[in-house]
Amino acid sequence: GAVVSQHPSRVICKSGTSVKIECRSLDFQATTMFWYRQFPKKSLMLMATSNEGSKATYEQGVEKDKFLINHASLTLSTLTVTSAHPEDSSFYICSARDPYGRPRAFFGQGTRLTVV
Amino acid sequence: GENVEQHPSTLSVQEGDSAVIKCTYSDSASNYFPWYKQELGKGPQLIIDIRSNVGEKKDQRIAVTLNKTAKHFSLHITETQPEDSAVYFCAASIEETSGSRLTFGEGTQLTVNP
Repeated sequence: GAVVSQHPSRVICKSGTSVKIECRSLDFQATTMFWYRQFPKKSLMLMATSNEGSKATYEQGVEKDKFLINHASLTLSTLTVTSAHPEDSSFYICSARDPYGRPRAFFGQGTRLTVV
Repeated sequence: GENVEQHPSTLSVQEGDSAVIKCTYSDSASNYFPWYKQELGKGPQLIIDIRSNVGEKKDQRIAVTLNKTAKHFSLHITETQPEDSAVYFCAASIEETSGSRLTFGEGTQLTVNP
């Protein structure tokens, strides 16, 4: 149980285009999901907290219009990188909290985004 | 806010030896401390966690200890194997609602040499 699936695992896009990354909780409902960005050999940086049925909460310094988050259902949150630029290239990871109220967080496989 | 420091940043051991990774946290209100293992190109995988009402927890070759007074917690891996090679992250959070978020350490690259 508590499996989080992220898609795609890798994506290459051209500068100026938009890319959507999906995060699904496969066997449980997640009212809250988290989106992280990770640079090479660095730790995970929280970008935003995705709340089902309401607006996402963004961390300081993260552009809301650049990184659009939608959490339209209890099993799906999406991150759209709009007008992507090479500096947006990174490893993006989502997570969801344990469905049984415990504080554990489970992570997706991550998405390697390369903007050329 | 919470600040988590992790040491060492790299650790190389011989197969069969033990490995210890240490973390400190700043917020005394933090009460949940998980450890994650991340292999190259993959998402972090929860390997063990501990709550502040417990001083030690063990799961086969992995153990975690917590010193609330000193705000230290450590990961201990015994009888290391090459497949233990990965980046390990400690984290801290305040266990309240599903919205509470994790603050991560900077990670430790563990290499187990056969």
